[in-house]
Amino acid sequence: DAGITQSPRHKVTETGTPVTLRCHQTENHRYMYWYRQDPGHGLRLIHYSYGVKDTDKGEVSDGYSVSRSKTEDFLLTLESATSSQTSVYFCAISEFVYEQYFGPGTRLTVT
Amino acid sequence: KNEVEQSPQNLTAQEGEFITINCSYSVGISALHWLQQHPGGGIVSLFMLSSGKKKHGRLIATINIQEKHSSLHITASHPRDSAVYICAVGDFGNEKLTFGTGTRLTIIP
Repeated sequence: DAGITQSPRHKVTETGTPVTLRCHQTENHRYMYWYRQDPGHGLRLIHYSYGVKDTDKGEVSDGYSVSRSKTEDFLLTLESATSSQTSVYFCAISEFVYEQYFGPGTRLTVT
Repeated sequence: KNEVEQSPQNLTAQEGEFITINCSYSVGISALHWLQQHPGGGIVSLFMLSSGKKKHGRLIATINIQEKHSSLHITASHPRDSAVYICAVGDFGNEKLTFGTGTRLTIIP
């Protein structure tokens, strides 16, 4: 299995608080992605990175920001969490475009 | 933007049955993935294919590029095959994947 970890694995937070999720890889892969998974929807891309300090928006990026200061770490920040951001968040990595490996997921609940 | 549709959304079958899950997409692609997600679990890539057919154990994936359609087959299904199966496609010149909403498969002993 690709070496991808996510932290925390579970988090409950209150509306309006900032939240940061971390994705860490040991594979030295170029691309990293953040997705959210909600019932009735496929995985939806929030942001992705194609290198250190190189990031771009996905289809559901409003309310989220990302940073990648090192190859191995990709951080997802919710500046002011809302209940609509309650979801399961997956990080993925790839070296070759299209072949992605997924982390274990983070379940976030915003109350 | 590519539109990915999977059918059926839910499938319940008896152990031993032959299973088929379908995926169709709207725009030509460079590659298609089949992924598996067990309840409460992570997501695992089963296949990546751009033409023809691939086989791994009891799982077979086929793709028809002209018809923009792929199928995932499971032979001699087993309760441990119970999971959500997700189809995802990659567009040409694009680092991103578009995902279907998944097919929830339940195999009853």
